[in-house]
Amino acid sequence: QVQLVESGGGVVQPGRSLRLSCAASGFTFSAYGIHWVRQAPGKGLEWVAVIWYDGTNKNYADSVKGRFTISRDNSKNMLFLQMSSLRAEDTSIYYCARGHRTSAGVFDYWGQGTLVTVSS
Amino acid sequence: QSALTQPRSVSGSPGQSVTISCTGTSRDVGLYNYVSWYQQHPGKAPKLMIYDVTKRPSGVPDRFSGSKSGNTASLIISGLQAEDEADYSCCSYAGSYLVFGGGTKLTVL
Repeated sequence: QVQLVESGGGVVQPGRSLRLSCAASGFTFSAYGIHWVRQAPGKGLEWVAVIWYDGTNKNYADSVKGRFTISRDNSKNMLFLQMSSLRAEDTSIYYCARGHRTSAGVFDYWGQGTLVTVSS
Repeated sequence: QSALTQPRSVSGSPGQSVTISCTGTSRDVGLYNYVSWYQQHPGKAPKLMIYDVTKRPSGVPDRFSGSKSGNTASLIISGLQAEDEADYSCCSYAGSYLVFGGGTKLTVL
């Protein structure tokens, strides 16, 4: 069965960096685009970034552009999110989500999320 | 990249139908037939309920349906059941990015 397991969350000071990971299993990882989606405490979902199946294209939300970098290692079925210059407003649960095979902007499987808290 | 607009809450009694709206612009909801809906119970990850405006993934009850008119998409839940009580969020493709609605809390009375 499809599984996505995030890790790497924690408490970090403003301005510092953090790297999130997402381990995928149960499907052909290299055939799917993968997204990061976040949710601030008590708030709605916010799309963060996407990376194409082969890593050739990446897109970011304006709120993280220039600070976050999405990457993947298809040989290890792993997705990453390198977050730098972190701000208090980046405090959220971060989910990795698989993109639908044929439809744009659809997340058909989600991980359970990892909590990032930006605080001094 | 402005968020789509959803009502903060809706409610209905068991067996009734409810509709949750999702209003965007001519650059997202109005331009693409790529609107999806997600159900989220407290403390859980979101679950895909509807995609491409009207399509239902395998395993989602046919009580859930979707539609779109102009810049507004809608999720319709008929024959409400207690387990439908959850947060529902819409999402639209907008070319180089994706945009969510703020979420709607559905209460089953």
